[in-house]
Amino acid sequence: DADVTQTPRNRITKTGKRIMLECSQTKGHDRMYWYRQDPGLGLRLIYYSFDVKDINKGEISDGYSVSRQAQAKFSLSLESAIPNQTALYFCATSDFGGANVLTFGAGSRLTVL
Amino acid sequence: GIQVEQSPPDLILQEGANSTLRCNFSDSVNNLQWFHQNPWGQLINLFYIPSGTKQNGRLSATTVATERYSLLYISSSQTTDSGVYFCAASGGYNKLIFGAGTRLAVHP
Repeated sequence: DADVTQTPRNRITKTGKRIMLECSQTKGHDRMYWYRQDPGLGLRLIYYSFDVKDINKGEISDGYSVSRQAQAKFSLSLESAIPNQTALYFCATSDFGGANVLTFGAGSRLTVL
Repeated sequence: GIQVEQSPPDLILQEGANSTLRCNFSDSVNNLQWFHQNPWGQLINLFYIPSGTKQNGRLSATTVATERYSLLYISSSQTTDSGVYFCAASGGYNKLIFGAGTRLAVHP
């Protein structure tokens, strides 16, 4: 099994729908992140969490919310999806005690029609 | 916040050629990482290198923190090296910021 698992891997939805992307990890890392990838723009940080009670906004948090349900679980929600949220979303983890090297999930491709 | 710029944006190589990818960052960093995204989208960490030089097989990386740049060297490139290479850096709170990437295509 993958160390960082994202579900769903692919999702097509309509404008205005609520969407949740889920991430779970078996690495025992404290820190979890959600990134968004658009063609030609690299990865941009949406939200990050350094432990269960810690939630922080990243570069592009508007239109998104997150929940850190447990050390191993970090979900990203789009309350009312819009077409410009069509993108590839990545969850990542890192270890506070280490070099903070990121381990990524396989990505969730979201299309908003 | 910190700005990260990568060059070149695109690179086409013949198998066996060498290449150098560059990453410039706008401020002091305490964390710098290089990643490879394969054609299937998977992101793999290549190096954690806030300063100095590291080598891993045909890949090596050097960061000159005082001059705010890092270089990724690929020697004897193979078709499996194709994909996008990202540099990511952070200063204070280890919130990594990514560059736009270098897209590499290696042809047989």
